[in-house]
Amino acid sequence: GENVEQHPSTLSVQEGDSAVIKCTYSDSASNYFPWYKQELGKGPQLIIDIRSNVGEKKDQRIAVTLNKTAKHFSLHITETQPEDSAVYFCAWGDSGYALNFGKGTSLLVTP
Amino acid sequence: DVKVTQSSRYLVKRTGEKVFLECVQDMDHENMFWYRQDPGLGLRLIYFSYDVKMKEKGDIPEGYSVSREKKERFSLILESASTNQTSMYLCATLGSSYEQYFGPGTRLTVT
Repeated sequence: GENVEQHPSTLSVQEGDSAVIKCTYSDSASNYFPWYKQELGKGPQLIIDIRSNVGEKKDQRIAVTLNKTAKHFSLHITETQPEDSAVYFCAWGDSGYALNFGKGTSLLVTP
Repeated sequence: DVKVTQSSRYLVKRTGEKVFLECVQDMDHENMFWYRQDPGLGLRLIYFSYDVKMKEKGDIPEGYSVSREKKERFSLILESASTNQTSMYLCATLGSSYEQYFGPGTRLTVT
């Protein structure tokens, strides 16, 4: 599979601050970019996704931006809360079948 | 809500044993996937299936096989378990908008 570089691998923020996680991919054929949140002891859960025909998507405190020219996309979490603490994975694919995943970012939100 | 269940949350097996990991979904999805998740490596695709009795190798199929006799069930088989197959195994299905739904995972330890 293609590589997705995900940074940072760990991130610690104070409650109320913003958190940003960035992923860089290599295959220009990709057109689907989801983000997953994995809490301890659970499987990954889709939190937001974006397709290549838009540059930004927002859902309450969560947003994703996509720069197809530079081949990177980012997850933005505003007004972070302790329950946002989890491992976040970026992924990419070409609309169907299997996804390629980043190596994950462990986010810790401290009160 | 989509429900993906996996037969065991925790499993301990001995080297050389044959191991079956079961995954069942209730949404009539055609595509199903098996990933393994290891610290620092993210999720890696083992096998996927796009229809009953159809299967495709993923990125790391060596040492594994799969079975899809019914649409709702996708099994991962370790013919002869080895210690390097100790991992978290995640099953997923593909929804109509290309989103993947994950099960809770099976943590397998091979001693």
